[in-house]
Amino acid sequence: AQRVTQPEKLLSVFKGAPVELKCNYSYSGSPELFWYVQYSRQRLQLLLRHISRESIKGFTADLNKGETSFHLKKPFAQEEDSAMYYCALLGGPGNTGKLIFGQGTTLQVKP
Amino acid sequence: KAGVTQTPRYLIKTRGQQVTLSCSPISGHRSVSWYQQTPGQGLQFLFEYFSETQRNKGNFPGRFSGRQFSNSRSEMNVSTLELGDSALYLCASSPGLTVQYFGPGTRLTVL
Repeated sequence: AQRVTQPEKLLSVFKGAPVELKCNYSYSGSPELFWYVQYSRQRLQLLLRHISRESIKGFTADLNKGETSFHLKKPFAQEEDSAMYYCALLGGPGNTGKLIFGQGTTLQVKP
Repeated sequence: KAGVTQTPRYLIKTRGQQVTLSCSPISGHRSVSWYQQTPGQGLQFLFEYFSETQRNKGNFPGRFSGRQFSNSRSEMNVSTLELGDSALYLCASSPGLTVQYFGPGTRLTVL
């Protein structure tokens, strides 16, 4: 079964501390993975896509096929990073147009 | 380009009524997916349309239906509303089998 797991509902860190939001997936084949972010009262927006291998707002995420993980990292958290973060897996053949989301992790960055 | 738009933004209905939600995708995007977001279940896939054809459907009862028009605009309909249908309904558009861009959502409250 295709599944995404985000084990932490809430991650609370101080400003300037490193952040790692965990994401594990279950998928047979080559997965296409994303991180989406939802700031307070804003729409869900794309943060990162694994095939782009880019850094957005200081965040990076590396796909580890051996550990079936796609953790989101940032070396120094900022208060404006406080938001809900969702890891998502694009359904493969036979599951067209479907994003499978984890339950989300709320990141709280304290001053 | 203008982003994904959804109307109305808020709706209040009573049990047993039906409701129609509308989504206008980003210009040029032919795929539209719908999701239900609730605090308990998170983000769950409803269905996906491409070129007026439903290509995929999630695990929701037949009361949930949708359609797509030739201009790629999409509607979803929920008949015989139940209290449990109260949720944020999100639509997302995509240029193909890839990243999805989300609208602001329609907040449906069923009384």
